[in-house]
Amino acid sequence: ETGVTQSPTHLIKTRGQQVTLRCSSQSGHNTVSWYQQALGQGPQFIFQYYREEENGRGNFPPRFSGLQFPNYSSELNVNALELDDSALYLCASSHVTGELFFGEGSRLTVL
Amino acid sequence: EDQVTQSPEALRLQEGESSSLNCSYTVSGLRGLFWYRQDPGKGPEFLFTLYSAGEEKEKERLKATLTKKESFLHITAPKPEDSATYLCAVDPSGGSNYKLTFGKGTLLTVNP
Repeated sequence: ETGVTQSPTHLIKTRGQQVTLRCSSQSGHNTVSWYQQALGQGPQFIFQYYREEENGRGNFPPRFSGLQFPNYSSELNVNALELDDSALYLCASSHVTGELFFGEGSRLTVL
Repeated sequence: EDQVTQSPEALRLQEGESSSLNCSYTVSGLRGLFWYRQDPGKGPEFLFTLYSAGEEKEKERLKATLTKKESFLHITAPKPEDSATYLCAVDPSGGSNYKLTFGKGTLLTVNP
C-alpha cells in the first residue's frame, strides 16, 4: 500500500507568480485535504475535496484553488503569490469519516 | 471560534524522565481529538484518535487521555527517538469527513 506522495518537495517562486502543487492520495482513499503550515505554527485547513467536489474550505482567499481528479489525486493552485504564502503545504488523504494521513509536504518559498 | 491550545510550547527531558503534554480545546461540539507526531521538515504522522471523555489509547511509550475540556499525551520513560513536535487537533461536529483545527504543537527534546 503506497502512502501519500507530494511534488515538488521544494520550490522557490517570486511574488506575483503562480504555483501548482500535486498530491497522490493513499490507495483506497477518496478524500483529499490541503493544509498550510507556516514556520513554528500548526497546520491550517485550506480546503477538502471528496469525489472531485470541494467539501469545505478554510479561511483562505479565492486565489487558493484546487482540483481532484477521478483517480483521487489532487492539485493545489495559488495565484498572485505573496511573501506570506511561504510555508509547508501538506496534503492528507482519508476515507470518509476516517483519519487523515499526511504526505511529506511541499516547501514553498516566495521571494 | 474553535480553538486548540497546547502547552508547554517546548519541553526538554532526560532519557527515562516521564512527563505529560497538554492540549486544551474550545469547540462547539467535538467529533474527535487527534494526536500527531511531526519530525522536522516532514508531514505529521498519525498517532491517536479519541472520541469521548474518559477514553484512553496507548502506543508503545505514549498514552493519550481525553476529558471534556482537554487531552493529555503521557510519555513514559522517553527515548531520544521520541524527540519531535507533537500536534493536537480537533474536528468540530458536523459535516462529512474530518476537517482539523490544529494547535501550534509542543516541541519535545529527549536528551540521552
